[in-house]
Amino acid sequence: QVQLVQSGAEVKKPGASVKVSCKTSGYNFPGYYIHWVRQAPGQGLEWMGWINPNRGDTKYAQKFQGRVTMTTETSISTATLGLSRLSSDDTAVYYCARRAGTANLDYWGQGTRVTVSA
Amino acid sequence: DIQMTQSPSSLSASVGDRVTITCRASQSIRTYLNWYQQKPGKAPDLLIYGASSLQSGVPSRFSGSGSGTDFTLTIDSLQREDFATYYCLQSNSSPWTFGQGTKVEIK
Repeated sequence: QVQLVQSGAEVKKPGASVKVSCKTSGYNFPGYYIHWVRQAPGQGLEWMGWINPNRGDTKYAQKFQGRVTMTTETSISTATLGLSRLSSDDTAVYYCARRAGTANLDYWGQGTRVTVSA
Repeated sequence: DIQMTQSPSSLSASVGDRVTITCRASQSIRTYLNWYQQKPGKAPDLLIYGASSLQSGVPSRFSGSGSGTDFTLTIDSLQREDFATYYCLQSNSSPWTFGQGTKVEIK
């Protein structure tokens, strides 16, 4: 069965960087884009961008340009989100999700809580 | 960027009620509209994709309609397990954008 399993919670200081991994299984990893979505405490869902594991091309939301990096390692079917220059506004649960052929996000990771605090 | 305006932001309903949630796009998104259900502490679950297609395994009391800019999620005969927050997501063009969410609470 399709699974996306994310790395554990992180606590970071302002100005630091964080990496969140998303290990997938149960499907052909290169065949499906991975999207990243975050959710601040008590808030709605915010789309961050996507990566195409087959070619490595990416699309980032303008808000995160210059601070975000999405990568994949096909040999271990894993996607990674990097976010730098963290501030308290980046405190959120970060989700990876698989894009289905029908232009939706059909399978999601369990979420990774990132807390940014001095 | 396409703005998604979802309404209402919250509603109270009873078990057995029919519930309707709407999403309006700031420009046409054809039928690239998806609906998600999210329960506290959990990742969102896909309910409806392509505006009206029911995701496998989702109960038939959920339905979606619309095209262009106006979309509706309907829950017929609300069940206790349906109390949750619902989001629409447009996937017509990047950046993909979510509605603000609708919290469905027990009356």
